[in-house]
Amino acid sequence: AQSVAQPEDQVNVAEGNPLTVKCTYSVSGNPYLFWYVQYPNRGLQFLLKYITGDNLVKGSYGFEAEFNKSQTSFHLKKPSALVSDSALYFCAVRGPNTGFQKLVFGTGTRLLVSP
Amino acid sequence: DGGITQSPKYLFRKEGQNVTLSCEQNLNHDAMYWYRQDPGQGLRLIYYSQIVNDFQKGDIAEGYSVSREKKESFPLTVTSAQKNPTAFYLCASSMWPPEATDTQYFGPGTRLTVL
Repeated sequence: AQSVAQPEDQVNVAEGNPLTVKCTYSVSGNPYLFWYVQYPNRGLQFLLKYITGDNLVKGSYGFEAEFNKSQTSFHLKKPSALVSDSALYFCAVRGPNTGFQKLVFGTGTRLLVSP
Repeated sequence: DGGITQSPKYLFRKEGQNVTLSCEQNLNHDAMYWYRQDPGQGLRLIYYSQIVNDFQKGDIAEGYSVSREKKESFPLTVTSAQKNPTAFYLCASSMWPPEATDTQYFGPGTRLTVL
């Protein structure tokens, strides 16, 4: 069964500094990986996904994520954080098999960007 | 949140009452999902539906029921049998049949509180 771990409950970063939100996964076969962002009392917004190909995936709002197969990681990154990036971030994974595959979510990491 | 609407935004229920949460999508997606979000636990799948008049239990279906009479609509009923219904409920949709790469898109959510 697939699983996702987000080891940090909260990440604090100053505005203008680079940010990293960590995600590691476990799945049989090639993984399909997703990042979502959630603002207070809102639904999840899709940021980016890794399917195949380049290990560096670019997404919305200047975010990118790096897929590392040997470390089974898919960390979310941004070169320069904004206060408006403060939100709850979820990593999710799905296995490669055909048919219905549940999307498994991590427990979320709260990002706090200070002015 | 675009394309998926959920209502109401906030819902209060007395113990012993059934309540129904609405979810509508105009993305022409075949598949729809209901998740429950609790603090620190990520998202857990309640029910999903692949096509009209068909639906399947997810990980935490007990105390919930759904219907899928129209492609656009997937209402969730929280019954009195659900012992701890206070949570944030999220509806999502995606293409079907599900390529593992398909993205799920989320509605804005309904916050249910039991009084």
